[in-house]
Order: sequence, then structure tokens, then C-alpha cells
Amino acid sequence: AQSVSQHNHHVILSEAASLELGCNYSYGGTVNLFWYVQYPGQHLQLLLKYFSGDPLVKGIKGFEAEFIKSKFSFNLRKPSVQWSDTAEYFCAVNAARGSTLGRLYFGRGTQLTVWP
Amino acid sequence: GAGVSQSPSNKVTEKGKDVELRCDPISGHTALYWYRQRLGQGLEFLIYFQGNSAPDKSGLPSDRFSAERTGESVSTLTIQRTQQEDSAVYLCASSLAGELYNEQFFGPGTRLTVL
Repeated sequence: AQSVSQHNHHVILSEAASLELGCNYSYGGTVNLFWYVQYPGQHLQLLLKYFSGDPLVKGIKGFEAEFIKSKFSFNLRKPSVQWSDTAEYFCAVNAARGSTLGRLYFGRGTQLTVWP
Repeated sequence: GAGVSQSPSNKVTEKGKDVELRCDPISGHTALYWYRQRLGQGLEFLIYFQGNSAPDKSGLPSDRFSAERTGESVSTLTIQRTQQEDSAVYLCASSLAGELYNEQFFGPGTRLTVL
């Protein structure tokens, strides 16, 4: 079975600091990778996704993530965070083929708090 | 356009009662998913509907849980004889197809509290 690990449960930063949130997954096959974000009081929404091609993907609001296949990692980065980035961030994977197509496996989430 | 909607937004029930949670997917989305998020945990897959195919029920935690979907529209998740460990936020998502590349759009969730 697939599993996703997010290393940090709560990250606190000041505005303009750089951000990196770790995500590792466990699965032997080809995967699709996602980062979702949930702002306070809002729905989960997609931040960025990787399916194939360039392992460095860019998402909304200046976020990017790098897929390192050898490390089974998909870390989220942002060079300079803003107070409005305060939210919970979830890494997710699904199998690119096989019986579990479509089903997303999520990490436990990382709560990011940015102080102005 | 309208997103995924869920009702009720909050449900408080007593242990042993049955509850029904409703999900209205985005119009035209053939795939529909239910997830559960318990406090301090990530989202946990429950069940997946794709068009007229048999649903993937492999994530349902016990036979007290069941779900139905009418065609490619509304879905209901039913929990019978609720237990305190069923307390969680139940999230519904829909996508254009249950295949590789489609983004899942999430609803606001139903917060279930079992006393």
C-alpha cells in the first residue's frame, strides 16, 4: 500500500523567510504527486501537481515543488512567504496505473503559520 | 460555477444512531470520492465511484459504512450505529474522470461528532 509522510507538523516562519516542506512517499510504481492547501475556513484546493516531464513544477502563488525519484520525495518550496500563506498543506500521491487509480493517499498535513 | 457541495455542514449525533451525509458533485464530473479526516490525521480514502462501474469500496473501515450514487450526480454516505471513533470531517471530491490526470475538487466537508 502507498503511504505519504510529511516531516513537519507545524512550521512557524516570519514573513519573507524561505519555506521548504518535506514530503516522502512509499510506492514502488509510477505515481502522480500533488500538494493541496487549505486556507482557514476554506476548502482544500490544489496548489500544484506533477505527472511527468520536468521534475520541477510551479504552482499558484509562487510555490514550486521538486520531484526527486531516487529519494521518493516531493518537497514544497517558496522563496519568500507571506502572512497570507498561513494554511495547512497536504502532500498527496496516487498511482499512475493499477487498481487504485484515482484514489489519493494523503500525508497528515503541515500547519504553516506566518507571522507578519 | 458551482463547486462541490455537502450537507449538512455539521452533524452531532448520539452513539448508536444512523447518519446520512450528502454530496453534490460538480455537474459533468463522472468520478466521485469520499474521504475522512480524523483529528490530527491526513485524509483517508473511503470509497470511489466512476461512472457506471462498480464502486471501489476498499477504503470503507467497516460494514457500518455504505455509500450510494445516483447516476453521475448526488451521493450519500451512510454510517449505521455510529461510534465515537466515527467522529471526523467527511470530505467529498469529484473529478472529470477517475483516470490519471484529473484534479479532484473538494467540498467543504461535513463535521460529524458522535457523542
